[in-house]
Amino acid sequence: SQTIHQWPATLVQPVGSPLSLECTVEGTSNPNLYWYRQAAGRGLQLLFYSVGIGQISSEVPQNLSASRPQDRQFILSSKKLLLSDSGFYLCAWSGNGGTGELFFGEGSRLTVL
Amino acid sequence: SQQGEEDPQALSIQEGENATMNCSYKTSINNLQWYRQNSGRGLVHLILIRSNEREKHSGRLRVTLDTSKKSSSLLITASRAADTASYFCATASRRAAGNKLTFGGGTRVLVKP
Repeated sequence: SQTIHQWPATLVQPVGSPLSLECTVEGTSNPNLYWYRQAAGRGLQLLFYSVGIGQISSEVPQNLSASRPQDRQFILSSKKLLLSDSGFYLCAWSGNGGTGELFFGEGSRLTVL
Repeated sequence: SQQGEEDPQALSIQEGENATMNCSYKTSINNLQWYRQNSGRGLVHLILIRSNEREKHSGRLRVTLDTSKKSSSLLITASRAADTASYFCATASRRAAGNKLTFGGGTRVLVKP
């Protein structure tokens, strides 16, 4: 069966520090991968998605970047965090060519102080 | 911008009652999906309805889709305290690449025992 792992679960970082959130998927190959951000009590905003290794599409201009160094690994990064980067980050995957159902990780809560 | 908007934003009911929430969207879709999120957790897929379907059932869940009104509803029958969560609709646009889903702001449901 397929599983998705996302870490760290919680992160408190000072303004200006770097960020790296990791997400890995097991039990499937060539998945579509996504990074969403959720502000407190709000819906989800799509940040990046990837349909293959090295293929990253950015949905909104921001202080963040994403990379996909391996088929089932998706990384969200920042060189210098801003206060506005605080939020709940969710990684998700879907089958390539499927109906589009997303399978989410448990999320990473980032607080920038 | 959010494709789907849920209504109401919050709902409080007694255990055993039915909970109904609505979702409106703006563009043509391939399918519409409903997800559930427990506080501080990732989202879990509940049900998917295709654009050529009008109603779908899964256990105590009933989803309707009216493409002429660009709206959908989720009904949870005989609610339980464990149904307390936020519920999100998400749309897969006909024009979106990469199986991208656009989420609404969600409906927070509280089921009182």
